[in-house]
Amino acid sequence: DAKTTQPTSMDCAEGRAANLPCNHSTISGNEYVYWYRQIHSQGPQYIIHGLKNNETNEMASLIITEDRKSSTLILPHATLRDTAVYYCIVPQGGSEKLVFGKGTKLTVNP
Amino acid sequence: EAGVVQSPRYKIIEKKQPVAFWCNPISGHNTLYWYLQNLGQGPELLIRYENEEAVDDSQLPKDRFSAERLKGVDSTLKIQPAELGDSAVYLCASSLDRHTDTQYFGPGTRLTVL
Repeated sequence: DAKTTQPTSMDCAEGRAANLPCNHSTISGNEYVYWYRQIHSQGPQYIIHGLKNNETNEMASLIITEDRKSSTLILPHATLRDTAVYYCIVPQGGSEKLVFGKGTKLTVNP
Repeated sequence: EAGVVQSPRYKIIEKKQPVAFWCNPISGHNTLYWYLQNLGQGPELLIRYENEEAVDDSQLPKDRFSAERLKGVDSTLKIQPAELGDSAVYLCASSLDRHTDTQYFGPGTRLTVL
């Protein structure tokens, strides 16, 4: 089973920041948090990953709490093309063992 | 750079027929994955290859599913015979190696079994 808990769905207005939460209370000290997203009729797409420090790339920012039991993916200026299912994943046994849950369905509204 | 290529994109067959899916990973990627995705669910790993060796096939239903990755490049996933419950999207992904953080996914093959 997936080791993460995410809301089933969220809405966001276009141009606003989208903040997607994820709980991973049983995460171990050396386990990373990964985020992927899946746009309709496409395969999943890697977004970002982190261990304990906050991370930022061209797609998003990842904020991990100090106790590492939860994290937030931030899309700073959401666009309609960001409408997708977002998966928060804590790999089991290494980065090659991605276990996808149901994710959060993010809908960006005009 | 070309991404992961899968074919066909869509396949409709009748139950008990055989079906095969093909995947060409990103050039130079040693690790290849096949996932199954049912409607409304996240992808589930079926099998993982390191070069031509299947190193994790614990979730592959071996009575009807088979896979191969000859020469450690492209791969074929086969179902014989197909059942109604096999209707799903079959995704292929690749990564540079098993220690690399990022998996790159293809667009998937949507299988409908009638």
